[in-house]
Amino acid sequence: QKEVEQDPGPLSVPEGAIVSLNCTYSNSAFQYFMWYRQYSRKGPELLMYTYSSGNKEDGRFTAQVDKSSKYISLFIRDSQPSDSATYLCAMSFTGGSYIPTFGRGTSLIVHP
Amino acid sequence: GAGVSQSPSNKVTEKGKDVELRCDPISGHTALYWYRQSLGQGLEFLIYFQGNSAPDKSGLPSDRFSAERTGGSVSTLTIQRTQQEDSAVYLCASSLSPSGGIYNEQFFGPGTRLTVL
Repeated sequence: QKEVEQDPGPLSVPEGAIVSLNCTYSNSAFQYFMWYRQYSRKGPELLMYTYSSGNKEDGRFTAQVDKSSKYISLFIRDSQPSDSATYLCAMSFTGGSYIPTFGRGTSLIVHP
Repeated sequence: GAGVSQSPSNKVTEKGKDVELRCDPISGHTALYWYRQSLGQGLEFLIYFQGNSAPDKSGLPSDRFSAERTGGSVSTLTIQRTQQEDSAVYLCASSLSPSGGIYNEQFFGPGTRLTVL
């Protein structure tokens, strides 16, 4: 079992839909939880990160962490074709080098 | 430049040849990371530099892989005697020095796409 599990998709939705992307993990010591977006042939860029449990909202994006279930989610409201990309979850421990452990990424396609 | 740059953007080589991949981090970023991304896979950590030293090189898959960083800036990842399974996108990221329990965002370059024939 990988430390971080993420369904690779692809997930195809119509424009305007609410998108839910999820990851599960096995190491309860993870404290930082991140979502990266990666467009084709580009490097990943950090979308959001949260520390420990709870929700965080930024515009159309909401990140949720449920440490009791070892489950994290990213919600995208009013999805746009420009949101089409691969979304990678990542998580790390506090202290040290903060090297994240990444999921495989979920490919999202938002069609007009 | 404003971001992390990597060169070359694409590299095609023959099995058995050596390759060098270069990373120029954001100015002032003391931490530098190398990752490998294979088709349909997540990012696989290779090595982490803090300044010119590499406190964590646990992700290097074999002794054919090595990396160095000079002047606390540019880093080079070298793969000797390349194999077909080395074909992947090699990504470099940099960040401010991790400290104080504060997460410092990693900024990624566009990657080098390596194809070993």
